[in-house]
Amino acid sequence: KAGVTQTPRYLIKTRGQQVTLSCSPISGHRSVSWYQQTPGQGLQFLFEYFSETQRNKGNFPGRFSGRQFSNSRSEMNVSTLELGDSALYLCASSLAGQSNYGYTFGSGTRLTVV
Amino acid sequence: GDSVTQMEGPVTLSEEAFLTINCTYTATGYPSLFWYVQYPGEGLQLLLKATKADDKGSNKGFEATYRKETTSFHLEKGSVQVSDSAVYFCACTAGNNRKLIWGLGTSLAVNP
Repeated sequence: KAGVTQTPRYLIKTRGQQVTLSCSPISGHRSVSWYQQTPGQGLQFLFEYFSETQRNKGNFPGRFSGRQFSNSRSEMNVSTLELGDSALYLCASSLAGQSNYGYTFGSGTRLTVV
Repeated sequence: GDSVTQMEGPVTLSEEAFLTINCTYTATGYPSLFWYVQYPGEGLQLLLKATKADDKGSNKGFEATYRKETTSFHLEKGSVQVSDSAVYFCACTAGNNRKLIWGLGTSLAVNP
């Protein structure tokens, strides 16, 4: 079966712009989590969605938002981009959000803010 | 608070050498423990996991044992290959919501 699909793979944006990233989970998976990965901070949890509801949220400013659709696809939006938002954004899906079973990650979207 | 600490890299080994990457955790309740691997240009893949004390997770020649008494989950492999070059992340679940807590990752480079 298809894995987790993230689009686009690469993105270059200017400071102050906004960006929307997309994630399609594995078919049947209802939980989608988003992470920001940077060399200095490692993996930082952004938020988790389950059945269209945000279930957990990390410590990011309100410029970072997300949503999940009825087909479990999820989008993440970052408004008023800052240079420090340059990172690899990873999406992970799981069957029911219970991390005991582990997550399946996409290949990520590499965002560069200039 | 809940945290995962893993040894800093980079780790550089010759092919067929023995690998250990240390990982310790602090978490309330009964955490599950994981090792993920990230190959260059890719997302993370689950390498192995253990869900209770004394469990041993294993996959692709890698092993890790859940040691509750030392709150550790060290990753080992008896004979590394060049294809094992990657970044390895230790993680544990924490709290009632079972959120994943991540280590900072350890970069491994294996030379022929």
